[in-house]
Amino acid sequence: EDQVTQSPEALRLQEGESSSLNCSYTVSGLRGLFWYRQDPGKGPEFLFTLYSAGEEKEKERLKATLTKKESFLHITAPKPEDSATYLCALNSGYALNFGKGTSLLVTP
Amino acid sequence: DSGVTQTPKHLITATGQRVTLRCSPRSGDLSVYWYQQSLDQGLQFLIQYYNGEERAKGNILERFSAQQFPDLHSELNLSSLELGDSALYFCASSFLARGSTDTQYFGPGTRLTVL
Repeated sequence: EDQVTQSPEALRLQEGESSSLNCSYTVSGLRGLFWYRQDPGKGPEFLFTLYSAGEEKEKERLKATLTKKESFLHITAPKPEDSATYLCALNSGYALNFGKGTSLLVTP
Repeated sequence: DSGVTQTPKHLITATGQRVTLRCSPRSGDLSVYWYQQSLDQGLQFLIQYYNGEERAKGNILERFSAQQFPDLHSELNLSSLELGDSALYFCASSFLARGSTDTQYFGPGTRLTVL
């Protein structure tokens, strides 16, 4: 069975303090690993899709990478507006199987 | 704005009642997915429809049902509501059907509170 585990559960950073969020996964055949951002009470907002080990994608201060067992979301010089919950998900063939998320708080 | 719309935004009802949540997918998308998000369970897949037909079921209770209409909007019906059904309900849409790796775009959600 596909499994997704995210760590840490919560992360507090100072503005400008770079860090990484981890998504460990087990899957029989990878059909895509997705990263979403979710603000409180709002719907998840799509960030990236990664399909194969070694693939990297960037958007502003965010960079997602993928290995055969893990994906990392690197946040460079974060700003308070980057505060949100970041969700990792596997495509199970028809639906997304989500991790519990990492709640990120960036303080000024 | 993802282009997916959901109504109502908030819904407060009593145990034992029945409610209907509505979703309109992005223009051109044929698949609609329903997810439930509670504090302890995270985002859980409920059901998928593609071009009017049910394609996949997840952890959906028998008290819950859904349908997709010819204009591709979808409704999620929740009946005999219990306190534990209080959650955020999200609709997502995508263009392709099962087996693809296309992106799902989420709506703003409906917050259901059962008292």
